[in-house]
Amino acid sequence: KAGVTQTPRYLIKTRGQQVTLSCSPISGHRSVSWYQQTPGQGLQFLFEYFSETQRNKGNFPGRFSGRQFSNSRSEMNVSTLELGDSALYLCASSLEPQETQYFGPGTRLLVL
Amino acid sequence: QQQVKQSPQSLIVQKGGISIINCAYENTAFDYFPWYQQFPGKGPALLIAIRPDVSEKKEGRFTISFNKSAKQFSLHIMDSQPGDSATYFCAARGGGNKLTFGTGTQLKVEL
Repeated sequence: KAGVTQTPRYLIKTRGQQVTLSCSPISGHRSVSWYQQTPGQGLQFLFEYFSETQRNKGNFPGRFSGRQFSNSRSEMNVSTLELGDSALYLCASSLEPQETQYFGPGTRLLVL
Repeated sequence: QQQVKQSPQSLIVQKGGISIINCAYENTAFDYFPWYQQFPGKGPALLIAIRPDVSEKKEGRFTISFNKSAKQFSLHIMDSQPGDSATYFCAARGGGNKLTFGTGTQLKVEL
């Protein structure tokens, strides 16, 4: 079974732009969570989606948003990019909420 | 507020030795404690996990010890190998499916 896939793997943007990252969960997994990983702040929870509904949200500004589609694929969007948004963005999927989460390889975003 | 404290930040172990990483948490509502292993350029991979009603879980060379009263848990890697060199994260789940991670331990296993 294929793992979690994330596209694109690498991205370079400039301040003020917006970006959309995509995540395809493991087949059959219906819950998707997003995390931001930076050297300074470590791994931080962004949000969780299940059945196209956001169930949980981390402590990030409203510039960070996401959605989930009926096939469980998910996207996250960051608007008005700031230098501090440079990070590895990780998607994790699980069969259901409260099940083990499996991570994708991440999308490395560099904001210049 | 950091809710999961992890130590040490880095660790060097000789091949064949035991690697021990410790974590402490504050939130008693956490209900699941996984450990993840991350290699450079990769996403975290689940290593082993434990629930708070169990004091120890062993899978191959990896063991989690869990002390609910002390709100501490640790990862032991027996017979450490150079291929184990990676960053290890403890985590705790609470508030739905949200994982709160420790700050990570960079493990280096030397020959």
